[in-house]
Amino acid sequence: DIVLTQSPGTLSLSPGERATLSCRASQSVRSNYLAWYQQRPGQAPRLLIYGASSRATGIPDRFSGSGSGTDFTLTINRLEPEDFAVYYCQQYSRSPLTFGGGTMVDIK
Amino acid sequence: QVQLQESGPGLVKPSETLSLICTVSGDSVIRNGHYRAWIRQPPGKGLEWIGSLYSTGSTYSNPSLNNRVTISVDASRNQVSLSLSSVTAADTAVYYCATFAQTDAIYLWGPGTVVTVSS
Repeated sequence: DIVLTQSPGTLSLSPGERATLSCRASQSVRSNYLAWYQQRPGQAPRLLIYGASSRATGIPDRFSGSGSGTDFTLTINRLEPEDFAVYYCQQYSRSPLTFGGGTMVDIK
Repeated sequence: QVQLQESGPGLVKPSETLSLICTVSGDSVIRNGHYRAWIRQPPGKGLEWIGSLYSTGSTYSNPSLNNRVTISVDASRNQVSLSLSSVTAADTAVYYCATFAQTDAIYLWGPGTVVTVSS
């Protein structure tokens, strides 16, 4: 299985600041089949980024993804109040599909 | 607008079988080149892929679940079902129905349904 390790576990920031979230894979993710999801309390996850760097439909451009191989990053510029949530990375290059443990972005 | 809705018992006894249904609206449950999947999230924890059904009818499940998973489709009702046998307290979770295309990310999720395993 491809193990995804997300860091940090928690990121405490203020609105307007930039968030940088990391996702490291235990082996190379083929074709950059790496996605990022946002999950707010009590809600299902929502797709933000696919293919490591492509924004999903309707996702604001303050969200951006980068990386390749085993190291991936989600950047959120100018945090808005609704961005404080948990973020998961997921690889879909190899079965079984696997998710990272999540990074919580909370208000400082 | 395509929507997914999970349903089923909220409480299951240990050693019994958990059975859930995902009803698809606004689309055919069998969409060419797409998977209907089940994903779960234990309380306060991360996400775990349980298994998927492809448009050809092939099914795939997470080996970590030790062959306890059965996924099937009822095209006449536009539903996908999940059965998880021999449940324990560790199977307590929110269960999500989800959709993704081949070599693509999960772009559609149901709201989830809470299942508690307890006597």
